Amino acid sequence: DAKTTQPTSMDCAEGRAANLPCNHSTISGNEYVYWYRQIHSQGPQYIIHGLKNNETNEMASLIITEDRKSSTLILPHATLRDTAVYYCIVHREYGNKLVFGAGTILRVKS
Amino acid sequence: NAGVMQNPRHLVRRRGQEARLRCSPMKGHSHVYWYRQLPEEGLKFMVYLQKENIIDESGMPKERFSAEFPKEGPSILRIQQVVRGDSAAYFCASSPGGEYYGYTFGSGTRLTVV
Repeated sequence: DAKTTQPTSMDCAEGRAANLPCNHSTISGNEYVYWYRQIHSQGPQYIIHGLKNNETNEMASLIITEDRKSSTLILPHATLRDTAVYYCIVHREYGNKLVFGAGTILRVKS
Repeated sequence: NAGVMQNPRHLVRRRGQEARLRCSPMKGHSHVYWYRQLPEEGLKFMVYLQKENIIDESGMPKERFSAEFPKEGPSILRIQQVVRGDSAAYFCASSPGGEYYGYTFGSGTRLTVV
């Protein structure tokens, strides 16, 4: 699976959009981009995933560049409860294990 | 629809004892993954199992650790002769067969070795 690069940490004001970038320049054509988050001491939580089209669900939006070498997770109206470590993972196929990197620590501040 | 159930939530063992961690996947999920998270560190893959089969155990320590997912009942991660370095949070995730879906993780078991 392709390696990803994320900033170590980011701050965001409560109520504002949080934009979390991820670089995956070696991504292959059949690899998806997945986002998970881990709120302190809890199990990781699936957020969203995409292949090449932008995706949106009730939690977030995922914007993938046309060349697929980078993506951005957008939390439209961040709340204090969104403070967590966010993981961007490139995942090849069904059954392969998810490999977690260090992620981005997002701190939402009031 | 219950999520992934892990028990116990907290487990304290003395050095040299055995630890058994249980994971019941979501209903309809036949694939189970175990991860370990040491204090202040990231999530590390340990093992991937399907019913009665170990598919990938590349992250399992060579000694003292074993995992199973029997035809009936939960998946079990077993740690024999625990040492202080085994103290960690152990997370289990499950997914259904077929087309890929996001994994669903349990709340974890916090193992403390004293």
